[in-house]
Amino acid sequence: EDQVTQSPEALRLQEGESSSLNCSYTVSGLRGLFWYRQDPGKGPEFLFTLYSAGEEKEKERLKATLTKKESFLHITAPKPEDSATYLCAVLYNNNDMRFGAGTRLTVKP
Amino acid sequence: NAGVMQNPRHLVRRRGQEARLRCSPMKGHSHVYWYRQLPEEGLKFMVYLQKENIIDESGMPKERFSAEFPKEGPSILRIQQVVRGDSAAYFCASSPSGRASGELFFGEGSRLTVL
Repeated sequence: EDQVTQSPEALRLQEGESSSLNCSYTVSGLRGLFWYRQDPGKGPEFLFTLYSAGEEKEKERLKATLTKKESFLHITAPKPEDSATYLCAVLYNNNDMRFGAGTRLTVKP
Repeated sequence: NAGVMQNPRHLVRRRGQEARLRCSPMKGHSHVYWYRQLPEEGLKFMVYLQKENIIDESGMPKERFSAEFPKEGPSILRIQQVVRGDSAAYFCASSPSGRASGELFFGEGSRLTVL
């Protein structure tokens, strides 16, 4: 069964402390991998789409990368306002789109 | 340009009652998706609709749940004879084209509590 696993479940960083979030998926035909940000009590907000291994996308302090088995969301010098849950989703060739459980990021000032 | 509008934001029902959740997609979007989210869990796909058609309902429970997206008006997710296990946040998303773009625009969700 197609699965999407995110790690860690929760991550606490000090402001300015860079780190990475991981999203791994079972390899059964990837059409795209997507990153979203979700604030408490809100709906997810789209961040990035990655389609092929080696692809990278950047937005402010965030950079998403993709390999054949996983994606990383790198956060450089995070700020408290980057605190949120980050979700990844995978769209498979059979049009099945699956979300991971998310990584809950807290950035302390 | 208004975003995806969901209502009600909060809904309380007693066991056995019906819950109706409404979703108005972004202007110009004809693709609507419903997801369910339990605390500390990811979004679980329920159903994908395009105007007047159900495209994919593989995530929808076979009983008590139904969805529609009529030619006019919002999409509706209907849960009949609710049970406590139906308590969750239900998110609607829309897109101008199919799922391949991955860029879904989500509403703020409807939080259902079943007493």
